[in-house]
Amino acid sequence: RKEVEQDPGPFNVPEGATVAFNCTYSNSASQSFFWYRQDCRKEPKLLMSVYSSGNEDGRFTAQLNRASQYISLLIRDSKLSDSATYLCVVSEGKLSFGAGTTVTVRA
Amino acid sequence: ETGVTQTPRHLVMGMTNKKSLKCEQHLGHNAMYWYKQSAKKPLELMFVYSLEERVENNSVPSRFSPECPNSSHLFLHLHTLQPEDSALYLCASSPFRTENTEAFFGQGTRLTVV
Repeated sequence: RKEVEQDPGPFNVPEGATVAFNCTYSNSASQSFFWYRQDCRKEPKLLMSVYSSGNEDGRFTAQLNRASQYISLLIRDSKLSDSATYLCVVSEGKLSFGAGTTVTVRA
Repeated sequence: ETGVTQTPRHLVMGMTNKKSLKCEQHLGHNAMYWYKQSAKKPLELMFVYSLEERVENNSVPSRFSPECPNSSHLFLHLHTLQPEDSALYLCASSPFRTENTEAFFGQGTRLTVV
């Protein structure tokens, strides 16, 4: 079983729509969780950390469900610039990356 | 100036060539990493250095040889590579290896082995 699993997508959504996707992880001892964003042919960059109580950063909302071992990312009012691959990252002392979920926002 | 800088950005090399990738971080971090990213696959951790000491080698073939002369610089020496080694090679750094903190990535070197 993969350490971190994501739906690869692509999720094709119109501008202004809401899109959400999950990531599951296998190690129950995982302590920290992140969402990274990776644009085409660029390096991954931290989008947001994911806290136990859930957290929001502008149009982005992240949730953590420890019991079911998944984290989620929701993007409201999608913009064209949100088109990217979103990497789920789980840490138990070292970072484990998912393969990414591709989101394409169309005009 | 970006926090983590990698050179070259693109590299094409033959299977008999020897080349090196360079990474430099300006963040004062103590841990540095090499990752390999192949198409549609998760990032694969190759090597971890903490305070200039290699602390992790994830079964990487010996044709990849890392070097960390100081806490700000990391190299990946390449020789007799195979076409399947073509990928994006990413360097990253973090404050400490054992803390659950984010990693900061360089822009990567896109390597093509012909």
